[in-house]
Amino acid sequence: DAKTTQPTSMDCAEGRAANLPCNHSTISGNEYVYWYRQIHSQGPQYIIHGLKNNETNEMASLIITEDRKSSTLILPHATLRDTAVYYCIVRFGNQFYFGTGTSLTVIP
Amino acid sequence: GAGVSQSPRYKVAKRGQDVALRCDPISGHVSLFWYQQALGQGPEFLTYFQNEAQLDKSGLPSDRFFAERPEGSVSTLKIQRTQQEDSAVYLCASSPGLAGPLGAKNIQYFGAGTRLSVL
Repeated sequence: DAKTTQPTSMDCAEGRAANLPCNHSTISGNEYVYWYRQIHSQGPQYIIHGLKNNETNEMASLIITEDRKSSTLILPHATLRDTAVYYCIVRFGNQFYFGTGTSLTVIP
Repeated sequence: GAGVSQSPRYKVAKRGQDVALRCDPISGHVSLFWYQQALGQGPEFLTYFQNEAQLDKSGLPSDRFFAERPEGSVSTLKIQRTQQEDSAVYLCASSPGLAGPLGAKNIQYFGAGTRLSVL
């Protein structure tokens, strides 16, 4: 019973927006959605999180559907350094549930 | 300021050896987590500490895995009688607040991990 579902991989042209979807249809009403990314041989890096409203910070924007069953992470102008595995995460008790993530490749 | 520090970065062990992996969390962080990440997979939860108390160890795969955080800061993950299936990256994360749906305080900050290879 997957808690999050993401595409296995995506490509994006450098300078274009990267839109990474996530399905979290079993999320409960008081759980946040967190997005992290992991570059090869590094630990996961926090990007953004949200509960109900759309959020934006210096790294990305997060769009959460009204029913909270899915969300989209938007990197507005992808660079080669954004090539990484992106994880959409929901909490499950004390745990972050990572799933398998989306491998994003930014193409020059 | 310093982030989460893990040592060693790489560890090679012969099957049957005991290993100890260290995590230095961000100073003042209440919560500390350990995760195991197999090749090509996302991190999977092992255990959670609130200060020195181990409140959740439901993810530890066997009784060969043991974690401690005796003074509520540095934590050690110990694996006894290592097996080949224990080969993975072990990640430590810390968080300033308590585990629970409290928003910003529950952001987890990760170390670079320890890559364990059991031969």
